[in-house]
Amino acid sequence: ELKVEQNPLFLSMQEGKNYTIYCNYSTTSDRLYWYRQDPGKSLESLFVLLSNGAVKQEGRLMASLDTKARLSTLHITAAVHDLSATYFCAVDSRGSTLGRLYFGRGTQLTVWP
Amino acid sequence: DGGITQSPKYLFRKEGQNVTLSCEQNLNHDAMYWYRQDPGQGLRLIYYSQIVNDFQKGDIAEGYSVSREKKESFPLTVTSAQKNPTAFYLCASSLLDRSASQHFGDGTRLSIL
Repeated sequence: ELKVEQNPLFLSMQEGKNYTIYCNYSTTSDRLYWYRQDPGKSLESLFVLLSNGAVKQEGRLMASLDTKARLSTLHITAAVHDLSATYFCAVDSRGSTLGRLYFGRGTQLTVWP
Repeated sequence: DGGITQSPKYLFRKEGQNVTLSCEQNLNHDAMYWYRQDPGQGLRLIYYSQIVNDFQKGDIAEGYSVSREKKESFPLTVTSAQKNPTAFYLCASSLLDRSASQHFGDGTRLSIL
């Protein structure tokens, strides 16, 4: 079974600071997805990374994928309070049924003034 | 606007009772999924379906059942065999394309009376 590990699981950071969330996975994949979830709400798609070396940026968030290291990162630049949420990565294994995703446990981010 | 509608938003189950959670989508997606989310945990796959009248078990299918009689609809029944049903249930849909992310509904929160 494919395993997806995120770290840290909890992140408390001050506004204006930078930080990186890591997502490691246990088997071959070239498809990785990042989602955001606000408390009590549904998941919102942030990024879809489709190949080795892929990099996507949206506002203060930048995601990258290294398929050889089986690692994706979500980098936060100059954090603001509105970024407070839980961030999930999900992996689509090449060997799995098309569309079946495996999720990490999520990183709960709190940004304080 | 296209999207996924889950109902009800909150549901209470009595012991020994079966309850059904509704999921409808008008995105013309072929694939639909049901996930369970427990506090501090990632999403765990219950069932998924790639085509009408066909579905597969996910990682935690015991105590649950589904049907896929129409492309737009994928209801989930939580049976009395599921001894710990209290959780947040999320329905998702996607195109059958690894470049497509899954779209999520707003979720149903199920509790035991």
